[in-house]
Amino acid sequence: EAQVTQNPRYLITVTGKKLTVTCSQNMNHEYMSWYRQDPGLGLRQIYYSMNVEVTDKGDVPEGYKVSRKEKRNFPLILESPSPNQTSLYFCASRPTGGTYEQYFGPGTRLTVT
Amino acid sequence: AQSVTQPDIHITVSEGASLELRCNYSYGATPYLFWYVQSPGQGLQLLLKYFSGDTLVQGIKGFEAEFKRSQSSFNLRKPSVHWSDAAEYFCAVGAGNAGNMLTFGGGTRLMVKP
Repeated sequence: EAQVTQNPRYLITVTGKKLTVTCSQNMNHEYMSWYRQDPGLGLRQIYYSMNVEVTDKGDVPEGYKVSRKEKRNFPLILESPSPNQTSLYFCASRPTGGTYEQYFGPGTRLTVT
Repeated sequence: AQSVTQPDIHITVSEGASLELRCNYSYGATPYLFWYVQSPGQGLQLLLKYFSGDTLVQGIKGFEAEFKRSQSSFNLRKPSVHWSDAAEYFCAVGAGNAGNMLTFGGGTRLMVKP
């Protein structure tokens, strides 16, 4: 089944403890992206990647890192999480060109205390 | 920078009634426009998209949207709402090369009365 998977789905952590949220897609898509969703703000783009080793900042990159060493994986790294990073995170992917439709993962709910 | 406004945070309609969700965007060039739906506890699913050509676009689940350049709007419509349409709806504009950066509106939560 074609899909985007995220792990973990739920995470509660403490301020300053480094964490990684994994994202993987099995559709051979070049483009991948991370968003955070907060009430009333919709989804805001954190980082995106056009292909392996090619990443760029979105609208809200501060406090986050990403890497794209393999085409299928695009992990989101919070090196020193803070409570204002408590949010619902979505990973998405799409092929280059075509319809530009992005396929979203199920989301990861992160709570930082 | 681009922006998207969805003026209605919540909308309640009766089952079988028509629906229109408003979306206004700001972008200097011809935008790529999208409507996504998010059911409770789920990810986002694309309803429809506009890139060019016919300004009235059809999507899945009986939804349609009309691009009006003069009004910078891309409103979503459905002639007859079903209870299963209760969800949150997001309008988004794509910018950059091939819409690589997606900017979303704040969302409209739709409730359907029986």
